[in-house]
Amino acid sequence: DTAVSQTPKYLVTQMGNDKSIKCEQNLGHDTMYWYKQDSKKFLKIMFSYNNKELIINETVPNRFSPKSPDKAHLNLHINSLELGDSAVYFCASSQDAGIYGYTFGSGTRLTVV
Amino acid sequence: GENVEQHPSTLSVQEGDSAVIKCTYSDSASNYFPWYKQELGKRPQLIIDIRSNVGEKKDQRIAVTLNKTAKHFSLHITETQPEDSAVYFCAASRNWGKLQFGAGTQVVVTP
Repeated sequence: DTAVSQTPKYLVTQMGNDKSIKCEQNLGHDTMYWYKQDSKKFLKIMFSYNNKELIINETVPNRFSPKSPDKAHLNLHINSLELGDSAVYFCASSQDAGIYGYTFGSGTRLTVV
Repeated sequence: GENVEQHPSTLSVQEGDSAVIKCTYSDSASNYFPWYKQELGKRPQLIIDIRSNVGEKKDQRIAVTLNKTAKHFSLHITETQPEDSAVYFCAASRNWGKLQFGAGTQVVVTP
């Protein structure tokens, strides 16, 4: 069983389109995150939800909107995609404010053409 | 907010030699310091972590040291093997804070 699963694994789309990435964790964790990894491998946090409540919202364009229907799911919707949005997006989850580390999903490689 | 700096950005070592990666952090309230390994095309995976009440932790060939006064921590890999080749990330966080990652170190172990 995959602990943190993301879909899709690959996403190729044209500029201006709207797309969503889904994430689900079966670890019973109470906090979920979205990280963006750019071409230089830098991992930057975007959002964090704790029990469906937004607790971290970094300086991210408002074209990015997270949604957490329950504590096991955190989806990311992106409007009006731009070339600069091309990256690998990782979902992660943790328990107890992350003091036991994060478990990452396998990532979604988004390519905007 | 927290700022984590990581050096070097690339590290080439001969198989069997040791590798050391160093990180510094800025937020004195940070109390959790994990290290992640990311193989090509894969997810980051936690390999070892240390908390602020401990100065050193070891797990087989990997060890981490923490100097709270100087606000730096290091990863040591001994007897390196080709499968140790990957990107390694240090990170730091405080309770309920976000995990701030360093920029990563590409480690290449040559046979």
